[in-house]
Amino acid sequence: QVQLQESGPGLVKPSETLSLTCTVSGASFSDYFWSWIRQPPGKGLEWVGYLSSIGSTTYNPSLMSRVSISTDTSRSQLSLRLNSVTAADTAVYYCARGAWLVGAGTSAFDVWGQGTMVTVSS
Amino acid sequence: DIQMTQSPSSLSASVGDRVTITCRASQSISTYLNWYQQKPGKAPNLLIYAASSLQSGVPSRFSGSGSGTDFTLTISSLQPEDFAIYYCQHSARTPYTFGQGTELELK
Repeated sequence: QVQLQESGPGLVKPSETLSLTCTVSGASFSDYFWSWIRQPPGKGLEWVGYLSSIGSTTYNPSLMSRVSISTDTSRSQLSLRLNSVTAADTAVYYCARGAWLVGAGTSAFDVWGQGTMVTVSS
Repeated sequence: DIQMTQSPSSLSASVGDRVTITCRASQSISTYLNWYQQKPGKAPNLLIYAASSLQSGVPSRFSGSGSGTDFTLTISSLQPEDFAIYYCQHSARTPYTFGQGTELELK
């Protein structure tokens, strides 16, 4: 059974760096792509970026200058760093597995972590 | 970016009702459209991918249709566990974007 578990500080000060980790069990990094998706309180979902099965990254242009996604395959962990945070970055952050769906020619987020709430406040 | 617009934003219905939620893309996305269900305090759950393919384990009362810019999610007979928020998401190209959500409430 595939499981994703996010972890990291629940409170970050403005202008500092948000750092989160997603620990993956039951799946190989090389068979999927791995995304971060966030959801401000009471609002909708925003795709942050992904790390592909070959280790390349693609980010949402709205965050590109501040975001970095990486992996430590030895620990089966995906990481997110978001610099220079403001209150607008307050959200639940989810890691999600992206699967290329054979026959459909497209992809979807088929497994999600439970999410971790990050508040940006002094 | 491709904008995704859902309607209605909220919907009141009763157990046993048939309901339809609409998602419109700002440009053609072929059938690169997914639907998710989110319950309070939980992560979204994939229901439909590629506009009309049912994800494994999802009840058959859920169905999807559409192509190009207009898509629908239909629940044929609402069950108590179906009251939740539903999101569409395109996977045509990055940045992937989601609709604003449709809250399905018990009448």
